[in-house]
Amino acid sequence: GAVVSQHPSWVICKSGTSVKIECRSLDFQATTMFWYRQFPKQSLMLMATSNEGSKATYEQGVEKDKFLINHASLTLSTLTVTSAHPEDSSFYICSARGLAEPYEQYFGPGTRLTVT
Amino acid sequence: GQNIDQPTEMTATEGAIVQINCTYQTSGFNGLFWYQQHAGEAPTFLSYNVLDGLEEKGRFSSFLSRSKGYSYLLLKELQMKDSASYLCAALDSNYQLIWGAGTKLIIKP
Repeated sequence: GAVVSQHPSWVICKSGTSVKIECRSLDFQATTMFWYRQFPKQSLMLMATSNEGSKATYEQGVEKDKFLINHASLTLSTLTVTSAHPEDSSFYICSARGLAEPYEQYFGPGTRLTVT
Repeated sequence: GQNIDQPTEMTATEGAIVQINCTYQTSGFNGLFWYQQHAGEAPTFLSYNVLDGLEEKGRFSSFLSRSKGYSYLLLKELQMKDSASYLCAALDSNYQLIWGAGTKLIIKP
């Protein structure tokens, strides 16, 4: 099956700093990747859709200047949380969409971000 | 609007059978996914239905009725490790996944 990796798996940073999270599709090329956020005991919330070579599409209420997404290649998308604050502490999960129907999403293992 | 409904929480006994229901309303429809998510982990794929009927895969089965906008996930011979959240997601006409809030399944000995 398709494998998606995320790095780092967990990170602690100080308020005001920036954090970059990488999402890689290891054995297939993904033209579309998705970034989700999940707070404890809550459902997945789609933040943005990332398309290779073009600007990401952000969901309503997600600040694009705060959550910078770059999808520079068919196997790598990055999410940078800029000027992080404690309320940004969450579980960030990426997924990559398959190239053929049913376009199943393959999830990375997630990154737990804690901002102190 | 697009909407997915599933129960918030269910409780079942080890060794028993449980059915988790999901109803959906989407702009177009290209299939229905079920994912399992253990606490603190990312979702993992369980099943995909696009045609009406039952798909069986070991202890897990998934059913779809397109005319009713309805699906269910059936888990048999429940094990303690099945305690998790089960997410229903429908694929709309743009092949975007519309997610339900998930059903937390609690298995008791």
